[in-house]
Amino acid sequence: GESVGLHLPTLSVQEGDNSIINCAYSNSASDYFIWYKQESGKGPQFIIDIRSNMDKRQGQRVTVLLNKTVKHLSLQIAATQPGDSAVYFCAEISNTNAGKSTFGDGTTLTVKP
Amino acid sequence: ETGVTQTPRHLVMGMTNKKSLKCEQHLGHNAMYWYKQSAKKPLELMFVYSLEERVENNSVPSRFSPECPNSSHLFLHLHTLQPEDSALYLCASSRGQGFNEQFFGPGTRLTVL
Repeated sequence: GESVGLHLPTLSVQEGDNSIINCAYSNSASDYFIWYKQESGKGPQFIIDIRSNMDKRQGQRVTVLLNKTVKHLSLQIAATQPGDSAVYFCAEISNTNAGKSTFGDGTTLTVKP
Repeated sequence: ETGVTQTPRHLVMGMTNKKSLKCEQHLGHNAMYWYKQSAKKPLELMFVYSLEERVENNSVPSRFSPECPNSSHLFLHLHTLQPEDSALYLCASSRGQGFNEQFFGPGTRLTVL
């Protein structure tokens, strides 16, 4: 399953499928990007990051892709599990803006068993 | 467990009340942050403290007053709030202001009647 567009707030996938969550960022000068996961009743939690001089970074079951040409960031989750159900949002950081994080709207991922 | 704790987890207050939110981090970090998270809106940065000094006040109304007595503790004092201030208030810390990854507490769910 895949979220598309800037403001699609929800994505529902079947357990075991791959998920793709998208984020359009605003500042072409951003140096660094982070994906956070926020489960119900908890604060956001770091998942994976990527620097602006990279276009792909892989973690355990997660991959982040960065397309600076169109200012687009995506998070791919392989073999999605029920524990992946959460809100996911991206953050962009610009060193010229005192390292402040600007957060996206968030996509709610629901994994159906 | 992220190493950042917040109390209380839930707070209901009237518009004439005065209350305080508390945040404590056990990570040895030097920067601490207050964010407001409202439904269907991105995280809004409110205040940033670096080495106990306020370095950012993001146009927050004066009815919110932060205090950072030491690098491990951060408070948000609330007085004469409005119903639209009802939200989840998140505290975060990072190794320093220039370090990108932030560690978030679970938040305080605030309801203003």
